[in-house]
Amino acid sequence: AQSVTQLGSHVSVSEGALVLLRCNYSSSVPPYLFWYVQYPNQGLQLLLKYTSAATLVKGINGFEAEFKKSETSFHLTKPSAHMSDAAEYFCAVSSSAGTASKLTFGTGTRLQVTL
Amino acid sequence: GAGVSQTPSNKVTEKGKYVELRCDPISGHTALYWYRQSLGQGPEFLIYFQGTGAADDSGLPNDRFFAVRPEGSVSTLKIQRTERGDSAVYLCASSLTPGAAYEQYFGPGTRLTVT
Repeated sequence: AQSVTQLGSHVSVSEGALVLLRCNYSSSVPPYLFWYVQYPNQGLQLLLKYTSAATLVKGINGFEAEFKKSETSFHLTKPSAHMSDAAEYFCAVSSSAGTASKLTFGTGTRLQVTL
Repeated sequence: GAGVSQTPSNKVTEKGKYVELRCDPISGHTALYWYRQSLGQGPEFLIYFQGTGAADDSGLPNDRFFAVRPEGSVSTLKIQRTERGDSAVYLCASSLTPGAAYEQYFGPGTRLTVT
């Protein structure tokens, strides 16, 4: 069984400030971890993924995340927020065992960026 | 190239009616997934196809839900005797092959409202 917990359903930052969105996972096998972004009335877009290579993963739009096994965490960060980053962000986990690849998502964090 | 498309974008139906939701995956993608996203929640897995066969339907909530992919491309999610609790956004995703390491590309979703 696998699950994801996203702490903070809403996060508000000023433009130019650090973005930190938290994600903790639970998995009985080594996990694959993903961050997706969802803009209003659009589908989910992959930001980045961890598939057991480097623990620090760089994604699109300046986002990155670090896999910390000891903390079962995969927090998403961006050094400087931009207004266009305002969206819903979802962390997801998948199993690396076999070919099963269904994603289990967290409940999401809505990021607001203010001037 | 074309992404995942879903039709209709919005569907309003009366309680007890039958609905069909269509998904056109990216050409050449062998794996196809259906998820359901209720208001304020992350997407929840419903079913996954590898080619024409349902490889994992463990997420279908009950026997009112059924999905097909007869030719290994387009898929249809069918819901019988709809209930108000079925109201949600139904998301389709496809990936080149199955396997957790492969990115799932999401469509914009079909918003189903049961009145």
